[in-house]
Amino acid sequence: DAKTTQPTSMDCAEGRAANLPCNHSTISGNEYVYWYRQIHSQGPQYIIHGLKNNETNEMASLIITEDRKSSTLILPHATLRDTAVYYCAPIRRSNDYKLSFGAGTTVTVRA
Amino acid sequence: DTGVSQNPRHKITKRGQNVTFRCDPISEHNRLYWYRQTLGQGPEFLTYFQNEAQLEKSRLLSDRFSAERPKGSFSTLEIQRTEQGDSAMYLCASSPRAGGPDIQYFGAGTRLSVL
Repeated sequence: DAKTTQPTSMDCAEGRAANLPCNHSTISGNEYVYWYRQIHSQGPQYIIHGLKNNETNEMASLIITEDRKSSTLILPHATLRDTAVYYCAPIRRSNDYKLSFGAGTTVTVRA
Repeated sequence: DTGVSQNPRHKITKRGQNVTFRCDPISEHNRLYWYRQTLGQGPEFLTYFQNEAQLEKSRLLSDRFSAERPKGSFSTLEIQRTEQGDSAMYLCASSPRAGGPDIQYFGAGTRLSVL
């Protein structure tokens, strides 16, 4: 399973974009990159995922480098409710599709 | 609310006791996963079910742990002879499809404290 490296913590001003990097240099060709977030005392919440192409949904955008060794999650207009721990989690395209979480990035959005 | 439901939310037990947690997945979701999360860490995979079949178990799942998913519906995770090192958040997730990468929907977890 690919190992991930994320900054331990990050601050962001409310209303500004938050760019969250993730290094997954050992990712293999059959591994998707999933992003989840976890608000205190809740289970992880799905944000977005991708394989090679950049992706966008109502919550965020995902930029994956051409060599797939890193990705960036973009929250376009951070709100106080976006304060959470953000995980990038590769998932193998195999029989189990289990998620491999690292320690994540604690994002604090400040007013 | 039709999300993943886990009970109880909190469990405090004494070392050596047995505990059982329950997970009710989203209706008609084929896959069910159990993860364990300790303080400051991301969730770690424990085991998963495809319908009623348990298809993989992590090395983290010692022989004191057992999981079932009778009839492919709800699942239970039992820990026998609990140890202080078992203290953690136990998370359940379900996903709808039988094959292919898919979104896993997580419950709020059961927090276990072993005294």
